[in-house]
Amino acid sequence: AQRVTQPEKLLSVFKGAPVELKCNYSYSGSPELFWYVQYSRQRLQLLLRHISRESIKGFTADLNKGETSFHLKKPFAQEEDSAMYYCALSGGSNYKLTFGKGTLLTVNP
Amino acid sequence: GAGVSQSPSNKVTEKGKDVELRCDPISGHTALYWYRQSLGQGLEFLIYFQGNSAPDKSGLPSDRFSAERTGGSVSTLTIQRTQQEDSAVYLCASSLAHSYEQYFGPGTRLTVT
Repeated sequence: AQRVTQPEKLLSVFKGAPVELKCNYSYSGSPELFWYVQYSRQRLQLLLRHISRESIKGFTADLNKGETSFHLKKPFAQEEDSAMYYCALSGGSNYKLTFGKGTLLTVNP
Repeated sequence: GAGVSQSPSNKVTEKGKDVELRCDPISGHTALYWYRQSLGQGLEFLIYFQGNSAPDKSGLPSDRFSAERTGGSVSTLTIQRTQQEDSAVYLCASSLAHSYEQYFGPGTRLTVT
């Protein structure tokens, strides 16, 4: 079975501070890992995926297979980063996503 | 171009009634997914359509839930004899074949009274 755990429901930081949103997963094969973001009153959208190794809006995420983690990081948080963040996993020939329960990030001025 | 659209945006229904939720995927996307977003449960996969293949219904919570996709495009999610625990936001997503990048619609907020 595949499972995604986001241990923090809420995370609050000040503008300019580093932020790390934690994600751990359980999957027997080689998963595809993603971070999706949902800004207030907007639809869910893909932020980044591990295979692309890109930095999107200053965010990066590294897949650590040993620790089965895919934490999302940004060195200097901005107020516009305030949103709900979901870590998601997909594996095998079925492309469905298994989501974590999400972390609500609030960046305070 | 146009993104995934869903209708209605909000639906209030009485317990025991049937409801139909509609999803229009992005043109050319052969894969279509339904998810449910509810408090405490997060986002849960419901069903997946890929082209003409048999759908993956493994996430449907009960036999009151069904979905179809006509002509490889529009999809309808039907919930029969609605219960209060069905109250949630129902999200539709589409993607190109064999792509992990899914594009989500705005969702339908279902409230069962």
